[in-house]
Order: sequence, then structure tokens, then C-alpha cells
Amino acid sequence: DIQMTQSPASLSASVGDRVTITCRASQSISRHLNWYQQTPGKAPKLLIYATSTLQSGVPSRFSGFGSGTDFTLTISGLEPEDFATYYCQQSYSTLLSFGGGTKVEIK
Amino acid sequence: VTLRESGPALLKPTQTLTLTCTFSGFSLNTSDMRVTWIRQPPGKALEWVALIDWEDDKYYNTSLKTRLSISKDTSKNQVVLTLTNLNPVDTATYFCARMRSNGASFTFVDYWGQGTLVTVSS
Repeated sequence: DIQMTQSPASLSASVGDRVTITCRASQSISRHLNWYQQTPGKAPKLLIYATSTLQSGVPSRFSGFGSGTDFTLTISGLEPEDFATYYCQQSYSTLLSFGGGTKVEIK
Repeated sequence: VTLRESGPALLKPTQTLTLTCTFSGFSLNTSDMRVTWIRQPPGKALEWVALIDWEDDKYYNTSLKTRLSISKDTSKNQVVLTLTNLNPVDTATYFCARMRSNGASFTFVDYWGQGTLVTVSS
């Protein structure tokens, strides 16, 4: 099974900051990598699929990059509504798997 | 597209959990459609559980597969997940969700249910 590792587990940032979250796969997953945002008590929301394609309605301050085993999610200019937990997920294998999550907190 | 989970909120160890996902806005008879279950223990990360697709192919989390079963009833637009021999570590919010592709080979989960909290306790 493919293991997904995210770092950091949490980070503190201020409104307007640029933040980058890293996701690493235990084997190559090409570009089959998705990112989700979850706020407390809510279901996750799809942000980016296929490494870098923004889901409809997602602001352009979100961007994704990578291929193979190493991927990043960048938020350029944090907004108050971006303080949440972010998960990567691989869909290269039909046995899906998620990263452990990165909680973005207000500094 | 909407999905809604239903099932018991409290079960005892060794019992069997049966959850139903009732969905609308798409059909599991349609090519490329899938329904998947994902769970999240309180305060912890998401964990993929199982998936069923339009061809009735089924996929299970390796660590859970001996206890899992997934099935669909396309006439009712429902997917049923069964997890046997429950123990307290199965306590989690269980989400059902739709998965599809972008028309190429890239798949993703684009719609989620609100989730249902299942507690396993004696």
C-alpha cells in the first residue's frame, strides 16, 4: 500500500503569509495527488486534483506542484478562512490513502 | 449531488456496523462513478475505508479488509458498508463520498456527505 507523509503536522502563520505544505509518497504516484481542506466539524473540501488543477471555485491563491513522490501545496496570501487542516491523498492506486494532515493555525 | 450517511450512533464491541449512503444527483450505473467510504477518528486524520465503482468492483483498506463489505443498490441509489467485529478503535465519523475522474486518468473525491459519528463502547 502507498503511504503518504505530510509535513509539517502543524504550522502557525499570519493573514497574508505564504505557506507551503509538503506531501511525500512512499512510491511514485506520477501526478495522481489531490489536496483537501477541512474545517472543524465539516466534511473535507476538494481544493486541487491531479497535483495542480484547481477545483472549480477554489481561489487562485492555492497552488499545487510536484510529481513522482514529492508534492507541495502553497497558499499565497493566507486569508482568515484558510485556517484549517489540509490533507493530501493519492489516487494512483485504487487502494486510496491520505496523509496525516497539516493544521494551519493563526499566529 | 448530495450524499447522506445513516446508521447507528452507538455500538458495542464485537457487534457489526451497517452504514447506508443514500445519494442523489448521479447514478452508480454511469461509467466513471464511484462511491467511497472514509472515516476519521475524533481529532485524528482521514482514513480511507472502501470503494465501489460503476462496474461493481470493490476495493478495501488492507488493514480492515477481513472485516469489511461494501455493496450497492443502484435502484435505490444506495451504498451499504458493513464492518464486523467492532472494537473501540473503530470509533470515528464515517463519511461517504463520490469519486470520479476528470475524463482522463485522474480521480478525486468531489462530493462528501456530512458524516455520521459512530461510537464503539461497552
